[in-house]
Amino acid sequence: GQQLNQSPQSMFIQEGEDVSMNCTSSSIFNTWLWYKQEPGEGPVLLIALYKAGELTSNGRLTAQFGITRKDSFLNISASIPSDVGIYFCAGLDQGGKLIFGQGTELSVKP
Amino acid sequence: SAVISQKPSRDICQRGTSLTIQCQVDSQVTMMFWYRQQPGQSLTLIATANQGSEATYESGFVIDKFPISRPNLTFSTLTVSNMSPEDSSIYLCSVGVGMLGEQYFGPGTRLTVT
Repeated sequence: GQQLNQSPQSMFIQEGEDVSMNCTSSSIFNTWLWYKQEPGEGPVLLIALYKAGELTSNGRLTAQFGITRKDSFLNISASIPSDVGIYFCAGLDQGGKLIFGQGTELSVKP
Repeated sequence: SAVISQKPSRDICQRGTSLTIQCQVDSQVTMMFWYRQQPGQSLTLIATANQGSEATYESGFVIDKFPISRPNLTFSTLTVSNMSPEDSSIYLCSVGVGMLGEQYFGPGTRLTVT
């Protein structure tokens, strides 16, 4: 089946540092979504991308939909302790199903 | 977006029993989905809950094990039947909003089977 390769698997950073994570696939996606999941909660939608090449920001978060439609990245600038959580990318495939990456676990040291 | 609630939020069940999880949305939605998230893992789609017809199951998931109901456009249930410890997971419902594929998730139901 389709797979999304998300990296890195985990990150340990200092407060104030910038963070970058990405997802790649062998398949084309029509939509890329980025979610954050905190312990005991469901995933929360952070950013949605709909067009190849699109660059979208949400506060300190910036995400891009790759030109080939097979990849996306998420950047977090000036990280703070509340950024801690697991970040998932998800691609909407041709059949309308969401395929999720394996997640990037972010830890921020104050 | 949509406000989604799930009941129960967590449960501990004995093997061989069944648990029904409820998902309620604050507005009418066409698309509702059920996912499983095993410990430390990503989300895997179990099925699409179709209003007025049988759910559409993904490969590896069957109706006898995970029967789903969708009586209206704001409510769905997922039953985990004849449970074993391998069914210990977080079960999440989500709704599709708009035409571009965005999905919003409920808080999840944390199931432990002993």
